[in-house]
Amino acid sequence: QKEVEQNSGPLSVPEGAIASLNCTYSDRGSQSFFWYRQYSGKSPELIMSIYSNGDKEDGRFTAQLNKASQYVSLLIRDSQPSDSATYLCAVNRRSGGGADGLTFGKGTHLIIQP
Amino acid sequence: NAGVMQNPRHLVRRRGQEARLRCSPMKGHSHVYWYRQLPEEGLKFMVYLQKENIIDESGMPKERFSAEFPKEGPSILRIQQVVRGDSAAYFCASSIVRSQETQYFGPGTRLLVL
Repeated sequence: QKEVEQNSGPLSVPEGAIASLNCTYSDRGSQSFFWYRQYSGKSPELIMSIYSNGDKEDGRFTAQLNKASQYVSLLIRDSQPSDSATYLCAVNRRSGGGADGLTFGKGTHLIIQP
Repeated sequence: NAGVMQNPRHLVRRRGQEARLRCSPMKGHSHVYWYRQLPEEGLKFMVYLQKENIIDESGMPKERFSAEFPKEGPSILRIQQVVRGDSAAYFCASSIVRSQETQYFGPGTRLLVL
């Protein structure tokens, strides 16, 4: 059974600080990794995708992947109150790549304090 | 470019009735995925379809649930003889190809079984 683990939080971060969200996965053969943001009562919204070891930056967001440690993280710089949401880590379900069904963690609830 | 569309957005059914949830993928997308999110739980993969084909239904409950994606029209998730435990948010996602491309989520259908 493939699993994706996240700390459920809540993670409380002051406005303007860096928020760091972490995720581990069990299937060493996983190829694609995604971070989604979900506001309460809304649908998941893609933040970042990452496929190779290292860092990937997009605006205030940086995703980090370490396949050897089976670890994915998301950094949010200059955190804003509007970043307050649940952040979902997702891993492609089928080893070897392919946009098949994703396996999601339960999410980390992030609160940005004004 | 319209995003993934789902209807109805809210659906109330009594125990024993049938629920039909519809999903129209983004324009140009031919791959559809259904996920279920139970209260306080993470998103769980249910089924992956292409036009006229079910590719992976390993996440679907064995009884009462079925899905289709006909040549013309939306994808349909059908739940027969609903029970209270079926109350959840059902999300549809679509992707452009079966590769490492991202899945984009629709707004979801909130099903409440009385």
